[in-house]
Amino acid sequence: DTEVTQTPKHLVMGMTNKKSLKCEQHMGHRAMYWYKQKAKKPPELMFVYSYEKLSINESVPSRFSPECPNSSLLNLHLHALQPEDSALYLCASSQARGWDSPLHFGNGTRLTVT
Amino acid sequence: EDKVVQSPLSLVVHEGDTVTLNCSYEVTNFRSLLWYKQEKKAPTFLFMLTSSGIEKKSGRLSSILDKKELFSILNITATQTGDSAVYLCAVVIDDATNKLIFGTGTLLAVQP
Repeated sequence: DTEVTQTPKHLVMGMTNKKSLKCEQHMGHRAMYWYKQKAKKPPELMFVYSYEKLSINESVPSRFSPECPNSSLLNLHLHALQPEDSALYLCASSQARGWDSPLHFGNGTRLTVT
Repeated sequence: EDKVVQSPLSLVVHEGDTVTLNCSYEVTNFRSLLWYKQEKKAPTFLFMLTSSGIEKKSGRLSSILDKKELFSILNITATQTGDSAVYLCAVVIDDATNKLIFGTGTLLAVQP
């Protein structure tokens, strides 16, 4: 088990559904991340939050909407997704200062869009 | 364009063998290099390297960075079936945001 907890572990949703992915950490980390990982590919960065403020959006389509309600929680709201959005969505956290603080990943949410 | 390249893409060995995984990078702003092990779910952190020539060790695993030649290696000695995984190399290119560029990974299969 990791110290970054993601729920749900699996999610199946239709293209007209609205759902949310949740991520929680209690390590006192002030930076949190969403990554998307397709099968047999490395993780791809989607969003970075630093001190609850969005600092990076990697040109992610607006059908993905991140939210950071507080320093321990990170959500990813999903609406009108496409089948190609099916992937493993990984949350990660780190100390806010970057280069000397490794990312710690959650176990991910396996998303299937039908 | 920033890129991180790992080799080999996949590797099959027998228990007890020693393996060396390679990671080379070309980035505009190198801050640190990290190694992760990914089995079925979360990538788990192995090493962070920031200085050339200083070996990091953890049990049977070790890693070293060469900032002049822009590469790192991950060594695993006396491999076990539990070492079977994808090994990911990633480079931090922005210390304000901790942005990582991942390599494509090396799939290691250790056979009994």
